[in-house]
Amino acid sequence: ETGVTQTPRHLVMGMTNKKSLKCEQHLGHNAMYWYKQSAKKPLELMFVYSLEERVENNSVPSRFSPECPNSSHLFLHLHTLQPEDSALYLCASSQDHAGGYSGEQFFGPGTRLTVL
Amino acid sequence: AQSVTQPDIHITVSEGASLELRCNYSYGATPYLFWYVQSPGQGLQLLLKYFSGDTLVQGIKGFEAEFKRSQSSFNLRKPSVHWSDAAEYFCAVGTLGVTFGTGTKLQVIP
Repeated sequence: ETGVTQTPRHLVMGMTNKKSLKCEQHLGHNAMYWYKQSAKKPLELMFVYSLEERVENNSVPSRFSPECPNSSHLFLHLHTLQPEDSALYLCASSQDHAGGYSGEQFFGPGTRLTVL
Repeated sequence: AQSVTQPDIHITVSEGASLELRCNYSYGATPYLFWYVQSPGQGLQLLLKYFSGDTLVQGIKGFEAEFKRSQSSFNLRKPSVHWSDAAEYFCAVGTLGVTFGTGTKLQVIP
């Protein structure tokens, strides 16, 4: 595997289900991200992990729970979602530079989530 | 706070015609600037980036972009568009986290 991979590619779940999205990067990067992409809205940054520690959480509802067990893996645990959470969830990784500037981000293909 | 504006939501060009996609950013210093492309149902692919140095940067697929500090702009250009360029294009600013514009959807007609 190369680059950034995401599984599953498609997921349909009910509002009471619990599911997890998985992301893996094979680039040796030190930062990983979750984004939400909804129709007609800009990409929304959800979570940032740098060196496996969460550094940003943009007021995301608690029904989304991230986990970063190591620098190569990132999970997004989903619980009691709402229909408006249906979207494309993109994972990305980057090699961040000194001073906090983000290096270029490499994206996975995304997971298309539908909440019924 | 940093922000990115892509004023054109949709652009339609004829195959073989030139293309310019606009991007303006707001930030107090020179940020890192990126253009990404997204084909339907896919993730984002980096086209090019500007960190410092030469303000005209070359990217993949024949794209280039020019950083103009005085205008806070980073417009994307291509001299001759191919049908396979039809996609959505995102400008992004990367400082302490990357901020994306709302995207410009490009349609290419024969």
